[in-house]
Amino acid sequence: DAGVTQSPTHLIKTRGQQVTLRCSPKSGHDTVSWYQQALGQGPQFIFQYYEEEERQRGNFPDRFSGHQFPNYSSELNVNALLLGDSALYLCASSLVGGNSPLHFGNGTRLTVT
Amino acid sequence: GESVGLHLPTLSVQEGDNSIINCAYSNSASDYFIWYKQESGKGPQFIIDIRSNMDKRQGQRVTVLLNKTVKHLSLQIAATQPGDSAVYFCAENFATGGGNKLTFGTGTQLKVEL
Repeated sequence: DAGVTQSPTHLIKTRGQQVTLRCSPKSGHDTVSWYQQALGQGPQFIFQYYEEEERQRGNFPDRFSGHQFPNYSSELNVNALLLGDSALYLCASSLVGGNSPLHFGNGTRLTVT
Repeated sequence: GESVGLHLPTLSVQEGDNSIINCAYSNSASDYFIWYKQESGKGPQFIIDIRSNMDKRQGQRVTVLLNKTVKHLSLQIAATQPGDSAVYFCAENFATGGGNKLTFGTGTQLKVEL
């Protein structure tokens, strides 16, 4: 039973560029959430997708956008990259409904230079 | 505001001893709490969860205690092993609109000494 998989594992981009990160949820899960984890900090909620729609959003600018596909996989897009966007981006999947534990992937390490 | 905090950034224990990691939360409306373990280079790994209608829940070698009166959560690890060395996060959930929106603390580094 495959867990949450993310690609790529590492990525280096230049300020102003755009990036797309990808996530495949755990088998049987239908909800995908994205988190940003700065070095030495806890993960911060970006947004959550269910039925191909953004369901909830955290305190992140519109430069951060996402998409969910019919097979439940998801993408995170970040436009106009800033140095401060350097972080570990985590994808988590779960079943719809509150109080369902999130299962995380190992993340994509994004470095913006 | 919404926040989850941890009392100690680093906890060192001897192998075989019990570990207790504490966490304070601020939102009395939170109804679901989760403990995660994160090893270097990996994503958070689910350990145990507890709903707000419970005070205690036990898993394999781990116990979570919830004190809603003082908004306190703790994770107890019995017979701590070297493989338990990691950063531990507590997270609280605001189940608005049916979704999971977890708020994490900054984490506690658990170091197991041989």
